[in-house]
Formats: sequence, C-alpha cells, structure tokens
Amino acid sequence: ETGVTQTPRHLVMGMTNKKSLKCEQHLGHNAMYWYKQSAKKPLELMFVYNFKEQTENNSVPSRFSPECPNSSHLFLHLHTLQPEDSALYLCASSQQGRGLTNYGYTFGSGTRLTVV
Amino acid sequence: GEDVEQSLFLSVREGDSSVINCTYTDSSSTYLYWYKQEPGAGLQLLTYIFSNMDMKQDQRLTVLLNKKDKHLSLRIADTQTGDSAIYFCAEKWDSSNTGKLIFGQGTTLQVKP
Repeated sequence: ETGVTQTPRHLVMGMTNKKSLKCEQHLGHNAMYWYKQSAKKPLELMFVYNFKEQTENNSVPSRFSPECPNSSHLFLHLHTLQPEDSALYLCASSQQGRGLTNYGYTFGSGTRLTVV
Repeated sequence: GEDVEQSLFLSVREGDSSVINCTYTDSSSTYLYWYKQEPGAGLQLLTYIFSNMDMKQDQRLTVLLNKKDKHLSLRIADTQTGDSAIYFCAEKWDSSNTGKLIFGQGTTLQVKP
C-alpha cells in the first residue's frame, strides 16, 4: 500500500462508547497530524506528532486521546463523545527537515464519525 | 495569530477560467499551498509556491503570489466538470517549528456544463 490509510471510513458511535480511529502512512514521513473537518468551518488542527513525540495539542478536549506508537502509525482514541464531535477526522503526514523544506502534507481519506 | 481566508463559493461554466483567491496573515510564511478535496475524500495537494516566487505554472494551474498584500490566487484554465471540488489555501506557519499548516475554510467550485 502507498500513501496514508485511515480506518474505518465510517463510524457511528453512542455517547457512552469507546472507539479508536487508525491512521497508517507508508511514505517514510516523520510527522503525523490529526485534523477535524466540520461543515462550514475551517480545518481544525488537533494534534501534531514529530518523531513519535506529541508537539502540539490544540486545546482538544480530553475525550480525544491520541497515540503514536511509531512514526508510521497514529491513533485517535475516543470516549464519551458529544453529538457536536460528529465530523470528518483527517489524518496527514509530512516529512520534516532542517532549513527550507516543502512541508506539504499527504492526507488520508478520513473517517466520517457520527455520534448519536 | 494566524488566519487564512477564502471566499466560500465560485460558479463557472465549463471551458471558462476559474480564479480562487486567498489572503493570509503570517508574513514569514515560506510555503503556500493549494489543496483540492473531492466529495468523500481527503485533501489532495495540487500545487505549492515558495514565498520568494510570485508566479508558478503547472499545466492548467497558475498560482500568483502577492507577498506585499499577502494575497494568493489559483487560476484554473479551461475548467472542466471534474474540477468541481472544494479548494483549500494553506500557509506554513513559520512561528511554529512543527511544520503546522493553517488552512482556509475552503472555496467550493461548481462547474456548470
């Protein structure tokens, strides 16, 4: 496989459930990201991982818990979510480097999450 | 703080040129990007421009950068129905060393046959 793969593509969960989103990149990149895309709102950066270390948490509620066991895999663990958390969750990866580097991201297709 | 703004909607006829505009706030941005999102899909990198350039052409795509006004545009020549999608402008926020990209809210391009 190539690129960035996200599973599942669709997820419906109740507010008391616990679920996890998975992201895997096959590009040899050293940085991974979680974004939330809601209708009619800009993409919201949630978490940034560089070399498996979390370098940014953009004031995300604790009901979202990221995990990055290695530079190829990224998880988003979900528990006690609210209906307003329903959105498309996008994972991306990039290659970070010294100096002036094109930091363009490669995105996965996203997980469409519905909280009922 | 960082901010990227785009108009929300653009409608053109097939064969016409489309111009999608974007303004950004971080004057230290080194790279600016255009991404395309088709229904049910993630974002696909279309093109990017380095901040010391004022124009970049790639087949039907032309990117213009006015660094003084912090204005970026994407021109699509001979627009096709397959170009219908949401287009996102993004800047690399250089105040952060995480390679963070800041995205606009996206411009929906509708191409009428």
